[in-house]
Amino acid sequence: EPEVTQTPSHQVTQMGQEVILRCVPISNHLYFYWYRQILGQKVEFLVSFYNNEISEKSEIFDDQFSVERPDGSNFTLKIRSTKLEDSAMYFCASTTGRSYNEQFFGPGTRLTVL
Amino acid sequence: RKEVEQDPGPFNVPEGATVAFNCTYSNSASQSFFWYRQDCRKEPKLLMSVYSSGNEDGRFTAQLNRASQYISLLIRDSKLSDSATYLCVVNKDNAGNMLTFGGGTRLMVKP
Repeated sequence: EPEVTQTPSHQVTQMGQEVILRCVPISNHLYFYWYRQILGQKVEFLVSFYNNEISEKSEIFDDQFSVERPDGSNFTLKIRSTKLEDSAMYFCASTTGRSYNEQFFGPGTRLTVL
Repeated sequence: RKEVEQDPGPFNVPEGATVAFNCTYSNSASQSFFWYRQDCRKEPKLLMSVYSSGNEDGRFTAQLNRASQYISLLIRDSKLSDSATYLCVVNKDNAGNMLTFGGGTRLMVKP
């Protein structure tokens, strides 16, 4: 069964450093997402991406964040200068399209900012 | 008011019990509704979509009341493997197609 993959599974970084989280969505999917979940809290939407541009972003997704689809398979989330409060699990998701379709989530990248 | 509100639990039930979870949402523009399941430190996985007419999938039954902005999930004949956090999720069907998650209800099924 096709699945969303994410690398790395765990990333440890120093405050102020740049990190890039990588995702490979399911191949025939058209919509891509990043969500985050701070330990013990709910899953929060960060950004959605369609047709090579951002469709929607949340208040969390400020100028420190950016997304890119550098080739036909990868979808990346970059945090330019990490803060302690960026420590969280970051989930990539993808779907074929309409809102009633299932969004498939990757296994997540646990980001720890020291 | 939270966009999607759930009782965090935990609900501790014996095997074979029937358990019900409820959820309310604040945005009347929400169009699609789901229950996702999340195991500890894992990704959310779709359990079932929720339709206005109500729908059933094996031991699981979901109901939606648009007028009251209320969603429910009923689990019959609970199994140990049902132990997880159940996430109520809504989608506004806007351009971004973003999902809004509740905080989840934790279920622990005991032998």
